[in-house]
Amino acid sequence: AQSVTQLDSHVSVSEGTPVLLRCNYSSSYSPSLFWYVQHPNKGLQLLLKYTSAATLVKGINGFEAEFKKSETSFHLTKPSAHMSDAAEYFCVVSGSGGYQKVTFGIGTKLQVIP
Amino acid sequence: EAGVVQSPRYKIIEKKQPVAFWCNPISGHNTLYWYRQNLGQGPELLIRYENEEAVDDSQLPKDRFSAERLKGVDSTLKIQPAELGDSAVYLCASSLERQFFASTDTQYFGPGTRLTVL
Repeated sequence: AQSVTQLDSHVSVSEGTPVLLRCNYSSSYSPSLFWYVQHPNKGLQLLLKYTSAATLVKGINGFEAEFKKSETSFHLTKPSAHMSDAAEYFCVVSGSGGYQKVTFGIGTKLQVIP
Repeated sequence: EAGVVQSPRYKIIEKKQPVAFWCNPISGHNTLYWYRQNLGQGPELLIRYENEEAVDDSQLPKDRFSAERLKGVDSTLKIQPAELGDSAVYLCASSLERQFFASTDTQYFGPGTRLTVL
């Protein structure tokens, strides 16, 4: 069985300050991990993904995430928030080995204050 | 390159009525997903196709939901009859998986169909 937990349903940061969105996962196998972003009234878009290569993954728009197996975490960070980063972010886990089920977290809504 | 196309974008129906959603994936993508996203929740997988074969429909409420992907391209998701609890956004996504049963490649999502059941 696998699961993903996004530890904060809402995160509020000031423009220009760092962003941290937290994600923990549970998987019986070595997982693939993804972060997707959903802007209001727009479709889900991939930010970045980890698939057993480098543990520090860089994505679009200055976001990055670090896969930490010992902590079963895949937190999303950005050094400096921009107003356009305001959106909902989903952490996704896909187990490897055999059939790979895909499980989304419940999402973290990021608010950026000017 | 065209993205994933879904129609309709919005649908309002009375309970007990049937409804159907259509999805056209990105050309060449072998894997197609249908998700349901309830308000304030993450997408929940309903069914996954590898070409025309449904390889995971464990979360599909089979008493009222059905899906097909004829010829391994377009797909239709149907609900009959609809219930109040079916109100949600129905998302279609596609990907080009290089390994059978894999889920390591990027999923490309359509804009979704917002269903309201009255």
